[in-house]
Amino acid sequence: KAGVTQTPRYLIKTRGQQVTLSCSPISGHRSVSWYQQTPGQGLQFLFEYFSETQRNKGNFPGRFSGRQFSNSRSEMNVSTLELGDSALYLCASRDTRTSIRETQYFGPGTRLLVL
Amino acid sequence: QKEVEQNSGPLSVPEGAIASLNCTYSDRGSQSFFWYRQYSGKSPELIMSIYSNGDKEDGRFTAQLNKASQYVSLLIRDSQPSDSATYLCAVNDNDMRFGAGTRLTVKP
Repeated sequence: KAGVTQTPRYLIKTRGQQVTLSCSPISGHRSVSWYQQTPGQGLQFLFEYFSETQRNKGNFPGRFSGRQFSNSRSEMNVSTLELGDSALYLCASRDTRTSIRETQYFGPGTRLLVL
Repeated sequence: QKEVEQNSGPLSVPEGAIASLNCTYSDRGSQSFFWYRQYSGKSPELIMSIYSNGDKEDGRFTAQLNKASQYVSLLIRDSQPSDSATYLCAVNDNDMRFGAGTRLTVKP
Protein backbone atom coordinates (compact mmCIF):
# COMPACT_ATOMS: atom_id res chain seq x y z
CA LYS A 1 0.00 0.00 0.00
CA ALA A 2 1.15 3.49 -0.72
CA GLY A 3 1.80 5.62 2.32
CA VAL A 4 0.36 8.95 3.33
CA THR A 5 1.24 11.64 0.82
CA GLN A 6 1.33 15.37 1.36
CA THR A 7 1.65 18.22 -1.08
CA PRO A 8 3.44 20.49 -1.42
CA ARG A 9 6.54 19.42 0.49
CA TYR A 10 7.88 22.94 0.87
CA LEU A 11 6.18 26.29 0.79
CA ILE A 12 7.25 29.89 1.30
CA LYS A 13 4.60 32.52 1.96
CA THR A 14 4.51 36.05 3.29
CA ARG A 15 2.58 37.37 6.26
CA GLY A 16 -1.08 37.93 5.59
CA GLN A 17 -1.32 35.39 2.81
CA GLN A 18 -3.25 32.18 3.04
CA VAL A 19 -2.14 28.65 2.31
CA THR A 20 -3.77 25.32 1.54
CA LEU A 21 -2.06 22.02 2.25
CA SER A 22 -3.19 18.67 0.94
CA CYS A 23 -3.06 15.17 2.36
CA SER A 24 -3.96 11.83 0.81
CA PRO A 25 -4.33 9.05 3.37
CA ILE A 26 -3.42 5.42 3.05
CA SER A 27 -5.99 3.63 0.94
CA GLY A 28 -8.88 2.51 3.12
CA HIS A 29 -8.08 4.87 5.97
CA ARG A 30 -10.95 7.19 6.72
CA SER A 31 -9.44 9.21 9.55
CA VAL A 32 -7.04 12.04 8.82
CA SER A 33 -5.40 14.12 11.51
CA TRP A 34 -3.28 17.23 11.17
CA TYR A 35 -0.43 18.31 13.40
CA GLN A 36 1.85 21.29 13.64
CA GLN A 37 5.43 20.68 14.70
CA THR A 38 7.77 23.44 15.80
CA PRO A 39 11.05 23.27 17.73
CA GLY A 40 9.54 25.19 20.63
CA GLN A 41 6.11 23.57 20.95
CA GLY A 42 6.74 20.08 19.66
CA LEU A 43 4.00 18.15 17.91
CA GLN A 44 0.61 19.72 18.45
CA PHE A 45 -2.75 18.36 17.37
CA LEU A 46 -4.74 20.58 15.03
CA PHE A 47 -7.81 18.53 14.10
CA GLU A 48 -9.06 15.16 13.01
CA TYR A 49 -11.49 14.40 10.22
CA PHE A 50 -13.47 11.24 9.79
CA SER A 51 -15.99 10.61 7.03
CA GLU A 52 -15.91 14.27 5.99
CA THR A 53 -16.71 15.48 9.52
CA GLN A 54 -14.40 17.16 11.97
CA ARG A 55 -14.26 14.83 14.93
CA ASN A 56 -11.78 16.60 17.20
CA LYS A 57 -10.11 19.96 17.29
CA GLY A 58 -7.00 21.14 19.08
CA ASN A 59 -6.36 24.50 20.65
CA PHE A 60 -5.61 26.58 17.57
CA PRO A 61 -7.21 29.83 16.37
CA GLY A 62 -9.95 29.87 13.78
CA ARG A 63 -7.43 30.85 11.10
CA PHE A 64 -6.66 27.14 10.93
CA SER A 65 -9.36 25.15 9.21
CA GLY A 66 -9.69 21.94 7.32
CA ARG A 67 -11.97 19.72 5.39
CA GLN A 68 -12.19 16.19 4.15
CA PHE A 69 -13.56 14.95 0.87
CA SER A 70 -15.57 11.84 0.12
CA ASN A 71 -12.42 10.01 -0.99
CA SER A 72 -10.89 10.75 2.46
CA ARG A 73 -8.37 13.21 1.07
CA SER A 74 -8.04 16.21 3.34
CA GLU A 75 -6.99 19.80 3.02
CA MET A 76 -5.85 22.21 5.66
CA ASN A 77 -6.08 25.96 5.24
CA VAL A 78 -4.35 28.69 7.18
CA SER A 79 -5.55 32.22 6.56
CA THR A 80 -3.82 35.51 7.40
CA LEU A 81 -0.47 33.85 7.92
CA GLU A 82 1.73 34.95 10.79
CA LEU A 83 5.46 34.45 11.26
CA GLY A 84 4.71 31.99 14.06
CA ASP A 85 2.90 29.71 11.62
CA SER A 86 6.24 28.64 10.21
CA ALA A 87 6.37 24.96 11.00
CA LEU A 88 6.30 21.43 9.72
CA TYR A 89 2.69 20.42 9.11
CA LEU A 90 2.14 16.71 9.38
CA CYS A 91 -0.81 14.69 8.29
CA ALA A 92 -1.53 11.24 9.69
CA SER A 93 -4.10 8.66 8.72
CA ARG A 94 -5.49 5.63 10.49
CA ASP A 95 -7.99 2.90 9.89
CA THR A 96 -10.77 3.33 12.43
CA ARG A 97 -13.02 0.54 11.36
CA THR A 98 -12.45 -1.54 14.46
CA SER A 99 -11.38 0.55 17.44
CA ILE A 100 -9.57 3.63 18.59
CA ARG A 101 -6.40 1.59 18.94
CA GLU A 102 -5.44 1.81 15.32
CA THR A 103 -2.04 3.27 14.71
CA GLN A 104 -1.57 6.59 13.01
CA TYR A 105 0.76 6.69 10.04
CA PHE A 106 2.40 9.97 9.20
CA GLY A 107 3.05 11.58 5.86
CA PRO A 108 6.36 13.28 5.04
CA GLY A 109 5.04 16.69 6.02
CA THR A 110 4.83 20.12 4.45
CA ARG A 111 7.42 22.58 5.62
CA LEU A 112 5.94 26.07 5.63
CA LEU A 113 8.06 29.17 5.97
CA VAL A 114 6.32 32.49 6.52
CA LEU A 115 8.39 35.57 5.77
CA GLN B 1 -5.53 19.86 29.94
CA LYS B 2 -4.28 16.36 29.20
CA GLU B 3 -0.51 16.25 29.41
CA VAL B 4 2.16 13.91 28.15
CA GLU B 5 5.56 14.54 29.69
CA GLN B 6 8.95 13.32 28.59
CA ASN B 7 12.50 14.14 29.62
CA SER B 8 13.72 16.33 26.79
CA GLY B 9 17.25 15.02 27.10
CA PRO B 10 19.50 14.91 25.34
CA LEU B 11 20.22 11.35 26.34
CA SER B 12 23.58 9.99 25.29
CA VAL B 13 24.55 6.32 25.53
CA PRO B 14 27.49 4.36 24.15
CA GLU B 15 26.96 1.86 21.37
CA GLY B 16 25.79 -1.49 22.74
CA ALA B 17 24.28 -0.02 25.91
CA ILE B 18 20.63 0.06 26.96
CA ALA B 19 18.79 3.33 26.37
CA SER B 20 15.85 4.01 28.67
CA LEU B 21 13.21 6.54 27.69
CA ASN B 22 10.40 7.55 30.01
CA CYS B 23 7.01 9.17 29.62
CA THR B 24 4.22 10.10 32.04
CA TYR B 25 0.67 11.07 31.23
CA SER B 26 -2.01 12.88 33.15
CA ASP B 27 -5.27 11.27 32.01
CA ARG B 28 -5.86 8.15 34.08
CA GLY B 29 -8.44 6.95 31.57
CA SER B 30 -5.97 6.74 28.69
CA GLN B 31 -6.04 3.40 26.91
CA SER B 32 -3.59 3.44 24.01
CA PHE B 33 0.09 4.31 24.10
CA PHE B 34 2.63 4.63 21.34
CA TRP B 35 6.31 5.27 20.80
CA TYR B 36 7.39 7.01 17.62
CA ARG B 37 10.89 7.63 16.34
CA GLN B 38 11.66 10.78 14.39
CA TYR B 39 14.91 11.33 12.56
CA SER B 40 15.95 14.91 11.94
CA GLY B 41 14.01 16.38 9.05
CA LYS B 42 11.75 13.34 8.76
CA SER B 43 8.24 12.50 9.93
CA PRO B 44 7.54 10.28 12.96
CA GLU B 45 7.44 6.54 12.41
CA LEU B 46 5.83 4.05 14.77
CA ILE B 47 8.09 1.81 16.82
CA MET B 48 5.76 0.25 19.37
CA SER B 49 2.19 0.35 20.59
CA ILE B 50 1.09 -0.94 23.98
CA TYR B 51 -2.34 -1.18 25.55
CA SER B 52 -2.02 -3.46 28.59
CA ASN B 53 0.05 -3.23 31.76
CA GLY B 54 3.38 -4.98 31.57
CA ASP B 55 6.08 -5.39 28.96
CA LYS B 56 5.87 -5.77 25.23
CA GLU B 57 8.97 -6.77 23.30
CA ASP B 58 9.76 -6.34 19.63
CA GLY B 59 13.32 -7.11 18.67
CA ARG B 60 15.66 -4.76 20.51
CA PHE B 61 12.75 -2.64 21.73
CA THR B 62 10.69 -3.19 24.88
CA ALA B 63 7.77 -0.99 25.85
CA GLN B 64 6.61 -1.00 29.45
CA LEU B 65 3.26 0.29 30.68
CA ASN B 66 2.16 0.94 34.23
CA LYS B 67 -1.32 2.44 34.27
CA ALA B 68 -1.45 2.75 38.06
CA SER B 69 1.61 4.98 38.00
CA GLN B 70 0.64 6.54 34.68
CA TYR B 71 3.93 5.98 32.98
CA VAL B 72 5.14 4.26 29.87
CA SER B 73 8.75 3.60 28.98
CA LEU B 74 10.80 2.38 26.06
CA LEU B 75 13.99 0.37 26.43
CA ILE B 76 16.37 -0.01 23.51
CA ARG B 77 18.84 -2.84 23.99
CA ASP B 78 22.18 -3.04 22.18
CA SER B 79 21.81 0.58 21.07
CA GLN B 80 23.19 1.40 17.64
CA PRO B 81 24.27 4.75 16.17
CA SER B 82 21.31 4.39 13.79
CA ASP B 83 19.01 4.63 16.83
CA SER B 84 20.07 8.26 17.26
CA ALA B 85 16.83 10.19 16.86
CA THR B 86 14.09 11.90 18.80
CA TYR B 87 11.65 9.53 20.45
CA LEU B 88 8.08 10.68 20.89
CA CYS B 89 5.65 9.24 23.38
CA ALA B 90 2.00 9.47 22.35
CA VAL B 91 -1.22 8.81 24.22
CA ASN B 92 -4.47 8.29 22.37
CA ASP B 93 -7.69 9.23 24.11
CA ASN B 94 -10.14 11.05 21.93
CA ASP B 95 -7.22 12.54 20.09
CA MET B 96 -3.53 11.75 19.93
CA ARG B 97 -1.33 13.78 22.26
CA PHE B 98 2.43 13.75 22.01
CA GLY B 99 5.19 14.46 24.45
CA ALA B 100 7.89 16.93 23.50
CA GLY B 101 10.25 14.07 22.66
CA THR B 102 13.56 12.83 24.01
CA ARG B 103 16.62 13.29 21.83
CA LEU B 104 18.80 10.17 21.94
CA THR B 105 22.39 10.04 20.74
CA VAL B 106 24.19 6.71 20.51
CA LYS B 107 27.94 7.21 20.36
CA PRO B 108 30.10 4.66 18.49
